[in-house]
Amino acid sequence: GNSVTQMEGPVTLSEEAFLTINCTYTATGYPSLFWYVQYPGEGLQLLLKATKADDKGSNKGFEATYRKETTSFHLEKGSVQVSDSAVYFCALGASRAQKLVFGQGTRLTINP
Amino acid sequence: DGGITQSPKYLFRKEGQNVTLSCEQNLNHDAMYWYRQDPGQGLRLIYYSQIVNDFQKGDIAEGYSVSREKKESFPLTVTSAQKNPTAFYLCASSIRDAPGEGYTFGSGTRLTVV
Repeated sequence: GNSVTQMEGPVTLSEEAFLTINCTYTATGYPSLFWYVQYPGEGLQLLLKATKADDKGSNKGFEATYRKETTSFHLEKGSVQVSDSAVYFCALGASRAQKLVFGQGTRLTINP
Repeated sequence: DGGITQSPKYLFRKEGQNVTLSCEQNLNHDAMYWYRQDPGQGLRLIYYSQIVNDFQKGDIAEGYSVSREKKESFPLTVTSAQKNPTAFYLCASSIRDAPGEGYTFGSGTRLTVV
């Protein structure tokens, strides 16, 4: 079946550091891929998405490229801020499937 | 602006009581979902509905019930049979059969048993 594996957290970085959160997936066909962010005490918000191979999703300085050859969708940001502290979820949506498949989430803490 | 509204934000329940969490959306989405999130954990699917008057159990449906009488509404009842109901509950909605669109989430309800 379809599955998503995320880098285990927690991840702690200093402000202005480079961020990578790894996400790999297993799926048949050509799924859509998503990154969601959850700030403390809130629901999940869509951060970015990509719907086909080699697409790059980007938003708020975050980027992720859909790599079919490595079945990956790693989240990157060049210079993180304290306000980026949150939990990040990678997710997969496959055609004819009724539900998104979520990774376990990665907690990110940015220290000033 | 369209969105998905969960209420209340905080809810306290005495042991042995049933409580109902509200979820309303004005996005004209066909599909709706309920997830449970425990501290430091990921999302676990409780129930989902692809269309009015139809719903399916998710991975942890025991002790929960839902109804889908209107497209806009998908209330979740936490029954007294749920042994450990203290958690953060998230409702989501989506366009049916459109995997490239993802989900829209509500802001959640935190349920505490007292």
